[in-house]
Amino acid sequence: GQNIDQPTEMTATEGAIVQINCTYQTSGFNGLFWYQQHAGEAPTFLSYNVLDGLEEKGRFSSFLSRSKGYSYLLLKELQMKDSASYLCAVKDSNYQLIWGAGTKLIIKP
Amino acid sequence: ETGVTQTPRHLVMGMTNKKSLKCEQHLGHNAMYWYKQSAKKPLELMFVYNFKEQTENNSVPSRFSPECPNSSHLFLHLHTLQPEDSALYLCASSQAGGGGSDTQYFGPGTRLTVL
Repeated sequence: GQNIDQPTEMTATEGAIVQINCTYQTSGFNGLFWYQQHAGEAPTFLSYNVLDGLEEKGRFSSFLSRSKGYSYLLLKELQMKDSASYLCAVKDSNYQLIWGAGTKLIIKP
Repeated sequence: ETGVTQTPRHLVMGMTNKKSLKCEQHLGHNAMYWYKQSAKKPLELMFVYNFKEQTENNSVPSRFSPECPNSSHLFLHLHTLQPEDSALYLCASSQAGGGGSDTQYFGPGTRLTVL
């Protein structure tokens, strides 16, 4: 079966750095997405990785290793507004998105 | 800023009621999706429409009936629901229904409670 694993919940301190991991086992790979979802709101697109390596976008970076079936989302200079759930999703060989259950990130002052 | 709107935002219905969820996208996209989101579970894809044609139905019970009159509007008609259908129902759209980098943009969802 296809599976996406990410931690259920993480806690970090304002101003610090946090890394949210995602491992996947899918039938084929056509890219990996990260979304942010604040409580009661729409998931919003953060990043897309299809090649190995690190993609940086301001305070957020996303890393991919296809050989290891592994990605992480790195958030720097954490702000209280970063408290949200972070969803990892992989496109399989049929270009269907397979979703993880999400990681709830709690930022403390 | 998503460009995808959903109404109503909250809905409470009895098991014998009939109701409809509405989604509208203002992004000029050609594909639209319905998802179910339950607490602590991955998003479950329900239906996909490409250029108004249904291309995916993930074994969804017939008490959920989608309708896509044009590329900008998507409905989910509900009837005879069960309490376990209570969840957040998300609509999404994308430029074209496939491709690796084809990115889905979501609406804020309808929080459905079935009594």
